[in-house]
Amino acid sequence: GAGVSQSPSNKVTEKGKDVELRCDPISGHTALYWYRQRLGQGLEFLIYFQGNSAPDKSGLPSDRFSAERTGESVSTLTIQRTQQEDSAVYLCASSLKVAGLSIFEQYFGPGTRLTVT
Amino acid sequence: DAKTTQPTSMDCAEGRAANLPCNHSTISGNEYVYWYRQIHSQGPQYIIHGLKNNETNEMASLIITEDRKSSTLILPHATLRDTAVYYCIVSGMDSSYKLIFGSGTRLLVRP
Repeated sequence: GAGVSQSPSNKVTEKGKDVELRCDPISGHTALYWYRQRLGQGLEFLIYFQGNSAPDKSGLPSDRFSAERTGESVSTLTIQRTQQEDSAVYLCASSLKVAGLSIFEQYFGPGTRLTVT
Repeated sequence: DAKTTQPTSMDCAEGRAANLPCNHSTISGNEYVYWYRQIHSQGPQYIIHGLKNNETNEMASLIITEDRKSSTLILPHATLRDTAVYYCIVSGMDSSYKLIFGSGTRLLVRP
């Protein structure tokens, strides 16, 4: 079946502009996650959705970052007034979550490479 | 969540077993050990997870010491396609959604 998809695959933007990154999770996966990976570094957790709610937004680096999820499906990560330090690969993942039990395997998309010039 | 320590890099010959160690000496009783890998320019891929028993699946085996302070991921017959960064992650049931990726081990499989 189809995996997690993300769009665009690459985005180059000027400093100060807003960007929207999209994630389409695997159908039926109720949990969705956003991570950021700077060049040569490990992944940083940004935010987690269970359904359309975000119980944990603790990883969002500043108030310029926001995310939403609709229809328990697609999610968008918005970065306002982009800065050069926002340049990174933004990865989305999804997983099944049954009430009271986490399913541990997160399926990752290919990422969106964001370059802020 | 417990912190993990992994060697920066390792290599092995194609067809041989690759044994990747991970130390997690501060792991608590309800925390699981997960392994993911990231092949260049791709998103991470789940490999295996375990709590205290050894686990095996079609990709790998996970050996967890009796005191749970360390573990080893075993790729029984490494191929060139197994060249990747391997991440050992420890996370509890309540926070298992939050995978904290460290620096990982860069495994190079030599022809």
